[in-house]
Amino acid sequence: GDSVTQMEGPVTLSEEAFLTINCTYTATGYPSLFWYVQYPGEGLQLLLKATKADDKGSNKGFEATYRKETTSFHLEKGSVQVSDSAVYFCALPSSGGSYIPTFGRGTSLIVHP
Amino acid sequence: GAGVSQSPRYKVAKRGQDVALRCDPISGHVSLFWYQQALGQGPEFLTYFQNEAQLDKSGLPSDRFFAERPEGSVSTLKIQRTQQEDSAVYLCASSLAVFAGASYNEQFFGPGTRLTVL
Repeated sequence: GDSVTQMEGPVTLSEEAFLTINCTYTATGYPSLFWYVQYPGEGLQLLLKATKADDKGSNKGFEATYRKETTSFHLEKGSVQVSDSAVYFCALPSSGGSYIPTFGRGTSLIVHP
Repeated sequence: GAGVSQSPRYKVAKRGQDVALRCDPISGHVSLFWYQQALGQGPEFLTYFQNEAQLDKSGLPSDRFFAERPEGSVSTLKIQRTQQEDSAVYLCASSLAVFAGASYNEQFFGPGTRLTVL
């Protein structure tokens, strides 16, 4: 079945460092891909998405490019802030037509001042 | 406007007790989803409603789990005879609509209910 694999965390960075969180997927066809973020004590929020190969999703300084050849959707940010500390989830919708997302296990990001 | 709300935020139950978890979706959202999130894991799909109709319950782990949305708005997830393995965060999400053939509609998540079964 469809699945996503994320790098294990926690990822610990100093403020203004460059961030990469790896995500690879296994899917039938070419589904949309998503990154969700979960701040402490809050529900998940959609951070960005890409709907087809070579698309780049971006939001709040974060970017991710849908790469069909490597089946990857890595999340990047050029300069992280303390407020970016959260858990990040890569996800793709199920192939059954219901579009219910399958989530990765999440990667915790901790940014120190 | 108000987002998705869930209550209670925390629930401690003794093994064997029944629990009921409530979800208030965003007003006007047709679709409602329940997920179970174990510690250190991503959310796992439990069940999905479109209005009052439960269209998919394939993720419910056992017949002890039951969900309803009788008037197409508020939903309740009930767990009977709780077991320790039921300990998790239960997330509710709503969206304008999700139906086959449509592009993905963003789901808006509540903060979750953390259930601890002793």
